[in-house]
Amino acid sequence: AQSVTQLDSQVPVFEEAPVELRCNYSSSVSVYLFWYVQYPNQGLQLLLKYLSGSTLVKGINGFEAEFKKSETSFHLTKPSAHMSDAAEYFCAVSSGFQKLVFGTGTRLLVSP
Amino acid sequence: DADVTQTPRNRITKTGKRIMLECSQTKGHDRMYWYRQDPGLGLQLIYYSFDVKDINKGEISDGYSVSRQAQAKFSLSLESAIPNQTALYFCATSTPEGGGNTGELFFGEGSRLTVL
Repeated sequence: AQSVTQLDSQVPVFEEAPVELRCNYSSSVSVYLFWYVQYPNQGLQLLLKYLSGSTLVKGINGFEAEFKKSETSFHLTKPSAHMSDAAEYFCAVSSGFQKLVFGTGTRLLVSP
Repeated sequence: DADVTQTPRNRITKTGKRIMLECSQTKGHDRMYWYRQDPGLGLQLIYYSFDVKDINKGEISDGYSVSRQAQAKFSLSLESAIPNQTALYFCATSTPEGGGNTGELFFGEGSRLTVL
């Protein structure tokens, strides 16, 4: 069975500071990995995904994530936070059997 | 207009009442899903449907039922609501390649249900 761990329930940063949201996964087979973002009072939307190929994946709004198989990690980063990045971020994993497993989410708090 | 529309957006009800949450989509996707979101628990899959004649239970289907009335419509029912079903419910859609293989689900804006 697959699982996803997002250890940080909240991550506070100052505007223009770098952002790192951590995600670790567990799976006995090859995985596909995803980050979704949920802005207040909205549904989730796909931020980026890793399916195969380059382990550094770029997404929307300047976010990127690196797949590290040896560390079973897929951390989300951004060099400089904007106020508009304040949202909840969900890591998700799939083995290709057509169902995603979501992590518990990390709320990014951005202060001026 | 939103591609995935959920109604109602907010509902307060009492224990024991029957509740239906509706989802309609204009994306033309075959696959539809119902998720439940609780603070600190992330999203949990309740039911999913790969086409009108295909309905499958997810992780937490007990106490829920669904109906796929058409390709574009997928309803979630709580036959007898209880307080621990208070949550934010999301409908989502995907293409056959999505939902797992490519991971792209398209979500509605959510239905917040409170059971007193």
